[in-house]
Amino acid sequence: DAGVIQSPRHEVTEMGQEVTLRCKPISGHNSLFWYRQTMMRGLELLIYFNNNVPIDDSGMPEDRFSAKMPNASFSTLKIQPSEPRDSAVYFCASKGGYKGYTFGSGTRLTVV
Amino acid sequence: SQQGEEDPQALSIQEGENATMNCSYKTSINNLQWYRQNSGRGLVHLILIRSNEREKHSGRLRVTLDTSKKSSSLLITASRAADTASYFCATDEGNAGKSTFGDGTTLTVKP
Repeated sequence: DAGVIQSPRHEVTEMGQEVTLRCKPISGHNSLFWYRQTMMRGLELLIYFNNNVPIDDSGMPEDRFSAKMPNASFSTLKIQPSEPRDSAVYFCASKGGYKGYTFGSGTRLTVV
Repeated sequence: SQQGEEDPQALSIQEGENATMNCSYKTSINNLQWYRQNSGRGLVHLILIRSNEREKHSGRLRVTLDTSKKSSSLLITASRAADTASYFCATDEGNAGKSTFGDGTTLTVKP
């Protein structure tokens, strides 16, 4: 089992550019979560999906953020346009049943 | 505010000593989970304890849950330098399908 796979591992982009983060959850897990982690705010839940359907996106900071899950094996988090304050580590996690989360290794985003 | 709040925020001990971290929460839960995060890595699930359980063990880890006090503790026995990491608790509440994470305890184990 390769675990939750995120890409890219690191992303450096200029302010105003579009950024797309990708996630492949564990096969068979029916829930997928996007988190953002910063020193100031800790781990924040941005959005989560059950069976590919967005359930709660109340954590998405602004309309610049959007997430999709077109099928059970792929999700994207897009930021357009990106801003320096979006710099953070973005984690994807998946879960199956009443068990703990499996996290990916994260994408470290730097917006300059 | 965060549902789960860890205490202390930071803990420094010598190798071989035991480390105890606490987590308090506010509302009723279905289960509580503990995670470890090494620097620059994702969170790793350590152990899950259900609301009807009081204690659970996994190797050198011992987790207790007191639902009357809305608190949990994570004990790491005979700590090793490799246990140096941040430890988070997370609570599953109701049918929300999501867990709420605390701010974590940073543990440093000195060799």
